[in-house]
Amino acid sequence: AQKVTQAQTEISVVEKEDVTLDCVYETRDTTYYLFWYKQPPSGELVFLIRRNSFDEQNEISGRYSWNFQKSTSSFNFTITASQVVDSAVYFCALSPERGNTGKLIFGQGTTLQVKP
Amino acid sequence: NAGVTQTPKFQVLKTGQSMTLQCAQDMNHEYMSWYRQDPGMGLRLIHYSVGAGITDQGEVPNGYNVSRSTTEDFPLRLLSAAPSQTSVYFCASSPRGPNTEAFFGQGTRLTVV
Repeated sequence: AQKVTQAQTEISVVEKEDVTLDCVYETRDTTYYLFWYKQPPSGELVFLIRRNSFDEQNEISGRYSWNFQKSTSSFNFTITASQVVDSAVYFCALSPERGNTGKLIFGQGTTLQVKP
Repeated sequence: NAGVTQTPKFQVLKTGQSMTLQCAQDMNHEYMSWYRQDPGMGLRLIHYSVGAGITDQGEVPNGYNVSRSTTEDFPLRLLSAAPSQTSVYFCASSPRGPNTEAFFGQGTRLTVV
């Protein structure tokens, strides 16, 4: 079965704290892609990152970093020095079937609140 | 630079009414999908299409129909609206190939009373 689990429903931090959002996935495919999307209060879905199953290198983009570990089937997302503008719902998603992005499997989402 | 356009943005329906949610993309993407977003459940796939004339069911297809007569358009039809279909609906498109991502519309907030 294909599944994505984001066990943290809500997280609240104070500005400038670091925060990690967890994502655990299940798939039998050997080739797959993982994604993170951000949904700010305005409601649109904003693409953050794509990672394929053969690339376990961690990635850093500004204050954002991602840790992909196939051994634990996890793809965690860390925000360093959080800001109020980071407040949003964050979704982790899996694209099975050799990257058919027409069939994304989403986690339940984690609501991040960053307080000033 | 339109991307994926959904109409309407908001809609209120009475139980039993039918309607069509429109989705259009101008990026010549082959893949298009419909998702619904409910609190605590993330986004769930309703129907998807890998090209004009080809559609298939996702995780929660009951009560919805789709067709794909052109590459650009992928309408979602609610046959007889039910309160359980109250949700936010997102249309997405993506190009064929593994190294891509899905582009989402702004969403349609549907309330069935």
